[in-house]
Amino acid sequence: DAKTTQPNSMESNEEEPVHLPCNHSTISGTDYIHWYRQLPSQGPEYVIHGLTSNVNNRMASLAIAEDRKSSTLILHRATLRDAAVYYCILRVTNFGNEKLTFGTGTRLTIIP
Amino acid sequence: EAGVAQSPRYKIIEKRQSVAFWCNPISGHATLYWYQQILGQGPKLLIQFQNNGVVDDSQLPKDRFSAERLKGVDSTLKIQPAKLEDSAVYLCASSLSAPGGSNEQFFGPGTRLTVL
Repeated sequence: DAKTTQPNSMESNEEEPVHLPCNHSTISGTDYIHWYRQLPSQGPEYVIHGLTSNVNNRMASLAIAEDRKSSTLILHRATLRDAAVYYCILRVTNFGNEKLTFGTGTRLTIIP
Repeated sequence: EAGVAQSPRYKIIEKRQSVAFWCNPISGHATLYWYQQILGQGPKLLIQFQNNGVVDDSQLPKDRFSAERLKGVDSTLKIQPAKLEDSAVYLCASSLSAPGGSNEQFFGPGTRLTVL
């Protein structure tokens, strides 16, 4: 399975930007980079995804390195509700079947 | 739009007993997933259905776990007999699986299983 590497934990102050890094040096040309987050006692929820270009949506931005071996999830202004485990995942497609393999993620703590 | 529904939310059983979990995916979603999440770890895919056919069950312990998807909609996951190491949260997810789409997975709240 395609692997990603993330820091185990990070802290950030409320109302400041947060940059969550992810390394995926073995990524192949057709693998999409997905980010999900899991709030306490809830199932994971989709945040954002991309292939080569940087992406923005209402929740976050995704910056992808030119060689695609790393990416950064950017929360522009963290709130207490952003405290969660953030998973960086490569979406692999095999014979038309798409699969997400979750790692242990980064636990983000927001300091009031 | 209604989300993915799961029941029960919590279940406590003794080892060697049987247990079943139920999932109702988002209407129209072709793909359904069952994940196991052990405390402190990320979710691990157990089985993936496309409509009512299995496309990946490589990590399902088939000697004790079974799953079915009725008429391509609801699904049940069963454990028989349960072991202590089966204590985990069991998550169901569904996705539209449209060609070229993000194929975002929508997760239910999970069932927390404790095996004593």
